[in-house]
Amino acid sequence: DAGVTQSPTHLIKTRGQQVTLRCSPKSGHDTVSWYQQALGQGPQFIFQYYEEEERQRGNFPDRFSGHQFPNYSSELNVNALLLGDSALYLCASSYGTGGLETQYFGPGTRLLVL
Amino acid sequence: AQSVTQPDIHITVSEGASLELRCNYSYGATPYLFWYVQSPGQGLQLLLKYFSGDTLVQGIKGFEAEFKRSQSSFNLRKPSVHWSDAAEYFCAVVAYSGGGADGLTFGKGTHLIIQP
Repeated sequence: DAGVTQSPTHLIKTRGQQVTLRCSPKSGHDTVSWYQQALGQGPQFIFQYYEEEERQRGNFPDRFSGHQFPNYSSELNVNALLLGDSALYLCASSYGTGGLETQYFGPGTRLLVL
Repeated sequence: AQSVTQPDIHITVSEGASLELRCNYSYGATPYLFWYVQSPGQGLQLLLKYFSGDTLVQGIKGFEAEFKRSQSSFNLRKPSVHWSDAAEYFCAVVAYSGGGADGLTFGKGTHLIIQP
């Protein structure tokens, strides 16, 4: 059983560009959450998708957007990249949205903005 | 708003010695608390979680944590560390707003170094 997978593993972009990161959840999971982890910091919650809709959002600007597909996979889009967007982006999947469910994390996509 | 504080940025422990990593939380209601471990180049792995009931929680890899409401703490412990325990450890809390459960709020992490 494959765990949570993310692509690409690494990405280099320049300021002002747009980026799309992808996540495939663990088999049987229907909820995907995205986190941003800056160097030396803990992950910060960006948003969560369930039933193809954004159901919760952290304190991130609307340059950050996402999508969930019918097969539960998800994309994170970031527009107008800033240097401060350089970070490890983590995807986590779970079954359900009650908050008690264990979230399983992928290995992340490391984004560098130059 | 909820928050998590991990007071120790780095901790160095000798192999075979006991370990305690500190975590303090701020949340108005009963918190749901988690400890995750992150090894280099890997995603986060859940060690244990507390929702209710027994305040001493057992996890994987020989870890345990104790919830103390009076101290707003959820410290992680292990009686004897192994070199493979060297990693970054994160304490996290999930809170609830009007729309249901929010995402996890993480502390800044504690970097554990194991001395031979």
